[in-house]
Amino acid sequence: GENVEQHPSTLSVQEGDSAVIKCTYSDSASNYFPWYKQELGKGPQLIIDIRSNVGEKKDQRIAVTLNKTAKHFSLHITETQPEDSAVYFCASAGGYGNKLVFGAGTILRVKS
Amino acid sequence: SAVISQKPSRDICQRGTSLTIQCQVDSQVTMMFWYRQQPGQSLTLIATANQGSEATYESGFVIDKFPISRPNLTFSTLTVSNMSPEDSSIYLCSVETGGAASPGELFFGEGSRLTVL
Repeated sequence: GENVEQHPSTLSVQEGDSAVIKCTYSDSASNYFPWYKQELGKGPQLIIDIRSNVGEKKDQRIAVTLNKTAKHFSLHITETQPEDSAVYFCASAGGYGNKLVFGAGTILRVKS
Repeated sequence: SAVISQKPSRDICQRGTSLTIQCQVDSQVTMMFWYRQQPGQSLTLIATANQGSEATYESGFVIDKFPISRPNLTFSTLTVSNMSPEDSSIYLCSVETGGAASPGELFFGEGSRLTVL
């Protein structure tokens, strides 16, 4: 089955700097790659996603890139703010059963 | 997107008891799922809640432990039966929105945080 690896497990950045979180997946049939942000005590919130027919997608300070050949995708957050501090999960789907498989998560801390 | 309401938001339960979690969606959805998030961990799919038929469980999860109901396209319940401290987790309801793209976008409720003593 699909396996998603996410790195780093924790990431500390200074306010205003950029943050990058990377994920790799194993199933070459996967075609959908969402990113979720989970704040303390809340459910995961979909912040951006990308499908396999594009290589990059941007939404204000957030961007996701996808390299299907290498089977990895990344989340980029520019001009980080304290409210970006949260746990971020990557996921992939589209292979067997079309079910989302999640990465282990990255704790992002933005220091002001 | 979809607005997903879960009840209870949190509870403290005694070992050996059962608790039912409710999930209400503000629109009709075809696909509803239940996930478990153990403390400090990622999300694990428990089952797909099928409307009008038995839920489809993932490996490691069984109906006797996690019975699920889905009476209509906007509501589902998950029961955690005969609880032990190992069941202490956040249980999350999620729905997949429709559209041409497959798979569709998956949205989550706020979760139900269970602590079993």
